[in-house]
Amino acid sequence: TQLLEQSPQFLSIQEGENLTVYCNSSSVFSSLQWYRQEPGEGPVLLVTVVTGGEVKKLKRLTFQFGDARKDSSLHITAAQPGDTGLYLCAGAGKDDSWGKLQFGAGTQVVVTP
Amino acid sequence: DTEVTQTPKHLVMGMTNKKSLKCEQHMGHRAMYWYKQKAKKPPELMFVYSYEKLSINESVPSRFSPECPNSSLLNLHLHALQPEDSALYLCASRPQGNGEETQYFGPGTRLLVL
Repeated sequence: TQLLEQSPQFLSIQEGENLTVYCNSSSVFSSLQWYRQEPGEGPVLLVTVVTGGEVKKLKRLTFQFGDARKDSSLHITAAQPGDTGLYLCAGAGKDDSWGKLQFGAGTQVVVTP
Repeated sequence: DTEVTQTPKHLVMGMTNKKSLKCEQHMGHRAMYWYKQKAKKPPELMFVYSYEKLSINESVPSRFSPECPNSSLLNLHLHALQPEDSALYLCASRPQGNGEETQYFGPGTRLLVL
């Protein structure tokens, strides 16, 4: 089993501040997805990173995949209340043909006006 | 279009009831998944279907019975559930065989067992 450690578990910040969420593993992933989830709703895909060292930007969100494909980070610039939610990282194992995802425990982000 | 739909949105059932959850996708994805999610926890994998065949059953109790009638539909039949089965049930789908590993989730069915 490939463990994916996500930190921090909880972040409460003011509107306009920056934040970073981390996902780390001792195992190599073939790809890693980031999702945002609101209470009672399904996870919504934000990005998939595949290549080691890859950086992807989605408006104020920046995603990095580590060179060794073992870790990833999500950085939000100038957070807004609409960024509030549960952020989940999920990695796909290199040798798993069924596409089983290993999820991090999640980071609950609260952005207050 | 990356839409996965699920019905019903909410379901309340007694421990002796039989109900079904439905999931549908029209993206041509050939892998479909059922997950169970408790509040503030990540989703837990229950079943994986690949090309309409059950590929993975993560030791789920037999009171949960999956079915894949065709490549677009996935059902989860529920019978004699327990209160601890109350959770958000998520369906997801993924393209199969082309190296694309991203799973797309539906909005979920919030289940309450009384």
